[in-house]
Amino acid sequence: QQQVKQSPQSLIVQKGGISIINCAYENTAFDYFPWYQQFPGKGPALLIAIRPDVSEKKEGRFTISFNKSAKQFSLHIMDSQPGDSATYFCAANAGGTSYGKLTFGQGTILTVHP
Amino acid sequence: EAEVAQSPRYKITEKSQAVAFWCDPISGHATLYWYRQILGQGPELLVQFQDESVVDDSQLPKDRFSAERLKGVDSTLKIQPAELGDSAMYLCASSLGPGAQGKLFFGEGSRLTVL
Repeated sequence: QQQVKQSPQSLIVQKGGISIINCAYENTAFDYFPWYQQFPGKGPALLIAIRPDVSEKKEGRFTISFNKSAKQFSLHIMDSQPGDSATYFCAANAGGTSYGKLTFGQGTILTVHP
Repeated sequence: EAEVAQSPRYKITEKSQAVAFWCDPISGHATLYWYRQILGQGPELLVQFQDESVVDDSQLPKDRFSAERLKGVDSTLKIQPAELGDSAMYLCASSLGPGAQGKLFFGEGSRLTVL
């Protein structure tokens, strides 16, 4: 019940294309859904996050879409750039005393070709 | 920009040896975390500190792992004895506390290889 399932494992996109990564969760106690970006040799960095009271959040070229009834959320990267090539992790958090415990998905390796 | 500092960046050890990792969080961050990231997987929480107190260590293998944050600032994670399955990236993270739900700042990690 604590799992967050992420797909695809890897994704190759041409420069300028749209990258879409999907996640699904089971635990209805989760109330905060961040996406983290990780470059090789670096730690994950918070990219964008959403709470289930909204269906979409956009920051620049990055958009999270959230479907509470389906318990699914996705990251869309518009106009993908080679500099976006990284591993992306969706995550979920239940708040309360678990405010720092992130349950991560397996990760998606994104490659954007020039 | 303030960063979470970790050392060493890389550690190679033989099984049954002891190993220790150090973390210095961002100044003013009350909460410190140790996560373990096995190659090809997402990070998993090992232990969470609020100031010098352990908040969550439910996933810490306490027979061989220990963590401390004596003065509520920097922290040490120790493994003794190391086993082959401990090979992973050990990530330290920090955050401001409960008001910063899920907003963690990660260090670059300490990569452990156990031979």
